Amino acid sequence: DAKTTQPPSMDCAEGRAANLPCNHSTISGNEYVYWYRQIHSQGPQYIIHGLKNNETNEMASLIITEDRKSSTLILPHATLRDTAVYYCIVTGLQGGSEKLVFGKGTKLTVNP
Amino acid sequence: ETGVTQTPRHLVMGMTNKKSLKCEQHLGHNAMYWYKQSAKKPLELMFVYSLEERVENNSVPSRFSPECPNSSHLFLHLHTLQPEDSALYLCASSQDRGFGNIQYFGAGTRLSVL
Repeated sequence: DAKTTQPPSMDCAEGRAANLPCNHSTISGNEYVYWYRQIHSQGPQYIIHGLKNNETNEMASLIITEDRKSSTLILPHATLRDTAVYYCIVTGLQGGSEKLVFGKGTKLTVNP
Repeated sequence: ETGVTQTPRHLVMGMTNKKSLKCEQHLGHNAMYWYKQSAKKPLELMFVYSLEERVENNSVPSRFSPECPNSSHLFLHLHTLQPEDSALYLCASSQDRGFGNIQYFGAGTRLSVL
């Protein structure tokens, strides 16, 4: 079972920041938070991941609360091409493998 | 382009047919994965291969038979499928199967079983 809770859908205006929340209250100390997204009819695409510090890359920023029980993915200037399902995944090593357990994600719609 | 190519993109087959899905990665990765995504359901991990050895089988029915002849290629052989097996089948690869390895996904094969 997915260890995260995300809103099923969100809307954002083009050019504005999209802030996607994720709750992971049962996260353990050695588990990371990963974000992937899936644009319609494509495979999932990695966005960013972090442990406890905030992270930023060319796609997005990840803000993790100090207690690590929740996080927010920020797309600073959303475009129409950012319309997708965004998955927040908490993962650690299990049996030598890092497993990605996908939940239902958040359907983000960027509107013109 | 993610460096992971899946063929065919679409496949329609009858319940008595035998078909194969192909995945090829051009990233030099050592681990490869098969996932299933049914309509309105989350992605489900099916199989994990590491250095051409199957290291995980998530209780997948025997009508799905994976094969990994080398670290760049992964196949999913299908036989005697059921209509409920209709889904998007996704292949992914990562540098290794251990911690901190980002998975890169192909575009998937949309399978319809009649």
